[in-house]
Amino acid sequence: TQLLEQSPQFLSIQEGENLTVYCNSSSVFSSLQWYRQEPGEGPVLLVTVVTGGEVKKLKRLTFQFGDARKDSSLHITAAQPGDTGLYLCAGVVTNAGKSTFGDGTTLTVKP
Amino acid sequence: GAVVSQHPSRVICKSGTSVKIECRSLDFQATTMFWYRQFPKQSLMLMATSNEGSKATYEQGVEKDKFLINHASLTLSTLTVTSAHPEDSSFYICSARVWDRGTYEQYFGPGTRLTVT
Repeated sequence: TQLLEQSPQFLSIQEGENLTVYCNSSSVFSSLQWYRQEPGEGPVLLVTVVTGGEVKKLKRLTFQFGDARKDSSLHITAAQPGDTGLYLCAGVVTNAGKSTFGDGTTLTVKP
Repeated sequence: GAVVSQHPSRVICKSGTSVKIECRSLDFQATTMFWYRQFPKQSLMLMATSNEGSKATYEQGVEKDKFLINHASLTLSTLTVTSAHPEDSSFYICSARVWDRGTYEQYFGPGTRLTVT
């Protein structure tokens, strides 16, 4: 069984603070995705990383893929209440395989 | 990004009846779609992989005869919850896989909230 451990599970911070969410596994992934989900809605794809050591930025969000392609992180700078939601990482071992999802990180940003 | 729709968004049914949920890829063709179930404040639980023109592949512990999946075209997959019971109440989400810029990516529908009374 391919496990993807996500931490922390819950995070509550004040507006303006920085935070990092981690996604770790013993498996090597061909690609890894990060999603954000709001209550009552489906997950929305934020980014896909495919190359070891890759760093992608999406406004205040920075995504990093580990050199060995076993782990990833999501860093949010100056968090805003609109960043509140469930963040999910998902890895694919083989290109045509199904995704393995982490347990998710519930982020609450207080104004 | 690619757009996936789901219908209905909410459904309430009586115990013992069947409910069909549709998942459509609106602007692309998807040979593979996935069906997930999600409980409050939890991650997604994969139920089955829906393959166009062939039988679905179910995850361990998911009853094939209870959760019927049909993927008759490249843009439509359906999930039918048969003889629904209150414990089937949940948030069901589908996704479609598409090849994009050298890798497969999944795009999710908005989900269907099923309540069985």
